[in-house]
Amino acid sequence: AQSVTQLDSQVPVFEEAPVELRCNYSSSVSVYLFWYVQYPNQGLQLLLKYLSGSTLVKGINGFEAEFNKSQTSFHLRKPSVHISDTAEYFCAVTHSGGYQKVTFGTGTKLQVIP
Amino acid sequence: GAVVSQHPSWVICKSGTSVKIECRSLDFQATTMFWYRQFPKQSLMLMATSNEGSKATYEQGVEKDKFLINHASLTLSTLTVTSAHPEDSSFYICSAPDDGDQPQHFGDGTRLSIL
Repeated sequence: AQSVTQLDSQVPVFEEAPVELRCNYSSSVSVYLFWYVQYPNQGLQLLLKYLSGSTLVKGINGFEAEFNKSQTSFHLRKPSVHISDTAEYFCAVTHSGGYQKVTFGTGTKLQVIP
Repeated sequence: GAVVSQHPSWVICKSGTSVKIECRSLDFQATTMFWYRQFPKQSLMLMATSNEGSKATYEQGVEKDKFLINHASLTLSTLTVTSAHPEDSSFYICSAPDDGDQPQHFGDGTRLSIL
């Protein structure tokens, strides 16, 4: 079984400040990791993904994340946030290989303060 | 453009009616599709795995007789919420893997409101 933990349910941050959203996962097999953003009343938008290779992955809107296998983490970072980044962010994991279900974390609400 | 189309995007209906939600893969075949549910201010939870040509696999706690899944073709899976009640009001999202590529393709979701 796989699981994802997002410890922070809400993260307030001032505009133009850096932010880190934390994600830890648990799995007995190799995984693929993702970050999605969801704006109010909308579907999911993929921010970035880690499948293999470089542990530092860059995504859209200036976000990046680092895969740390020893710490089973995949934290999301942005050096300078904008008001438009206010949204719900979900970390997700799926087993590598085959057609596997995606397990989502509980989400982190990023609130950018002007 | 969207590779998984979900319809309708929003539906409001009276308690007791049945509602069908469609999930279509537009330019690829999907032998497997997944259905998720998201209650307000909560995460997405897997409801069931839809398998083309065979019965769906339901997650623990999901009533298979209430949430009927039909995957009759390689491009279409449907979720029917039977005798819907206000507690079924939620955001339903489907996803489909494209030949094992990652990530899976998600539909835009269906917001269901039962009055």
